[in-house]
Amino acid sequence: KAGVTQTPRYLIKTRGQQVTLSCSPISGHRSVSWYQQTPGQGLQFLFEYFSETQRNKGNFPGRFSGRQFSNSRSEMNVSTLELGDSALYLCASSSGQDTGELFFGEGSRLTVL
Amino acid sequence: EDQVTQSPEALRLQEGESSSLNCSYTVSGLRGLFWYRQDPGKGPEFLFTLYSAGEEKEKERLKATLTKKESFLHITAPKPEDSATYLCAVQAASGGSYIPTFGRGTSLIVHP
Repeated sequence: KAGVTQTPRYLIKTRGQQVTLSCSPISGHRSVSWYQQTPGQGLQFLFEYFSETQRNKGNFPGRFSGRQFSNSRSEMNVSTLELGDSALYLCASSSGQDTGELFFGEGSRLTVL
Repeated sequence: EDQVTQSPEALRLQEGESSSLNCSYTVSGLRGLFWYRQDPGKGPEFLFTLYSAGEEKEKERLKATLTKKESFLHITAPKPEDSATYLCAVQAASGGSYIPTFGRGTSLIVHP
């Protein structure tokens, strides 16, 4: 059974640019969550999608957005990048039955210069 | 607001030297407490779920326990391959959102 796949694994952007990250969940999983991980703040919840609908949203500015497609694949977008957006962005999938047992991808490492 | 505090932030052990990691939590009704392991440059890997005080789970050299206010991850006779960051997360039973709140983790290094 394939795990959660995130692309790209590494990327470098400059301030003001935008970035799109992709996540393919485990087959059969309908819930996809996104997290930002930094050394100073730890794992911070961005948003969660289930059946193409955003069910929960964390405390991040509107520059952070996401969506989910009918095949459960998800993308997140960050516009007008700031230096502080440099982080590891993690996608996690679950069966969606309100479980806290998450299956994470290896993450996308974003560096903003 | 749900809070999770993990201690110590970092722990260095010699191979075979048993120890415990702590996860203290504040949550309005606990639905579940989760332990994850994260290796450098990778995403967290699920280890255990604990649901009620007194519950224990074991996996190889790891044993997780739960009380009403905290959880411990006991590591017995650790090996260098146990080196990783261990994350604790809690899920509230009420409030509508079941999104887990994560602690900042304990970085464990086991020296051979």
